[in-house]
Amino acid sequence: AQSVTQLDSQVPVFEEAPVELRCNYSSSVSVYLFWYVQYPNQGLQLLLKYLSGSTLVKGINGFEAEFNKSQTSFHLRKPSVHISDTAEYFCAVRRTGGFKTIFGAGTRLFVKA
Amino acid sequence: GAGVSQSPSNKVTEKGKDVELRCDPISGHTALYWYRQSLGQGLEFLIYFQGNSAPDKSGLPSDRFSAERTGGSVSTLTIQRTQQEDSAVYLCASSLAPLAGSWETQYFGPGTRLLVL
Repeated sequence: AQSVTQLDSQVPVFEEAPVELRCNYSSSVSVYLFWYVQYPNQGLQLLLKYLSGSTLVKGINGFEAEFNKSQTSFHLRKPSVHISDTAEYFCAVRRTGGFKTIFGAGTRLFVKA
Repeated sequence: GAGVSQSPSNKVTEKGKDVELRCDPISGHTALYWYRQSLGQGLEFLIYFQGNSAPDKSGLPSDRFSAERTGGSVSTLTIQRTQQEDSAVYLCASSLAPLAGSWETQYFGPGTRLLVL
């Protein structure tokens, strides 16, 4: 079985500052990894995903994440955040080739002016 | 094209009543998922359907919860004898068939907010 831990429930940050949202996973088999974003009063949408290959994955809105197999992590980063990045971010894991997706509890990113 | 739609958007019911939540996936998507999002608890997997295969029901929290998918398209999640702890946002998502390009990506509906009084 897979599990996901998002280490921070809330992350406040000032506009134009860098941010890292942490995600660790647990699995005995190879996995796909995802970050989804949920903007206020909107549905979830895919931010980026790791399937295989390059461990550095780039997504929409300037976000990127790095898959670290030895540390079982998939942290999300952005070098300079905007007010519009205020949202809840969910890390998710799925075994390779599978359908069942396990989500973390979410990290609420709050960008302050 | 149209995205995933869910109805109703909000549902208020009394404890003990049955409720039905509907999901219309994106046309051509063969996989359909239900999740529950409770306050501060992220997304909890409930069930998924893939084509004509038997659904994976491993996330359903009790036998009061059931779901069906008719004709490989629309899905209904039914909660019988609702309890206050069932109050949550119920999200539906769909995705393409395996190997059909970006099949791993799930497209989410806006959710149904259920309140059990």
